[in-house]
Amino acid sequence: SYVLTQPPSVSVAPGQTARITCGGDNIGSKSVHWYQQKPGQAPVLVVYDDSDRPSEIPERFSGSNSGSPATLTISRVEAGDEADYYCQVWDSSSDHYVFGAGTKVTVL
Amino acid sequence: QVQLVQSGAEVKKPGASVKVSCKASGYTFTSFDINWVRQATGQGLEWMGWMDPNSGNIGYEQKFQGRVTMTRDTSISTAYMELSSLTSEDTAVYYCARPQGGKTVNYYYGMDFWGQGTTVTVSS
Repeated sequence: SYVLTQPPSVSVAPGQTARITCGGDNIGSKSVHWYQQKPGQAPVLVVYDDSDRPSEIPERFSGSNSGSPATLTISRVEAGDEADYYCQVWDSSSDHYVFGAGTKVTVL
Repeated sequence: QVQLVQSGAEVKKPGASVKVSCKASGYTFTSFDINWVRQATGQGLEWMGWMDPNSGNIGYEQKFQGRVTMTRDTSISTAYMELSSLTSEDTAVYYCARPQGGKTVNYYYGMDFWGQGTTVTVSS
């Protein structure tokens, strides 16, 4: 089955840029979605289809997927961005969704 | 506004079944699939499957085949996920979620609305 690989953790100082990677076989041919999840809350979609952003998500969140790995970039990081981030793709070989294991972003 | 409201926490014994509900409001229930995702404590997200409320068509993650049943009652805009033969490994928060593109297989879109989650605890 298809596997997505994320780093377990990323640390970043306030105001700096956080980059969270998501690796997978030929991931550049897939549509990658990213979710933010804070403790005790449901996930929130922050980027879909590699680089599109829901209207309510700040422009500081951006995504790219020009080959392995796909990347979620958080610019001008704020304390409120501290959360777990998950990537997701549709695995067409098995017709099911796959999530990465998640990356914990810590704001120093 | 779009809302997915799930049923309350459940405690079950090993071998039992649990049925979680997800009531939709603020949109046309039959126009969007419902997906189910679970998360064990301290663990990541795990996709379980999808259901088309219009047709009743379903697609289950292979891991749950034979143990999960996804149904709906369109008269009350509610989706259900039933999981049988529970073990302690099924202890988790279970979420329903709506794909923003309507159909799950329209994979250019993610899941834009989620229920609040239902905690299922399996313990003897």
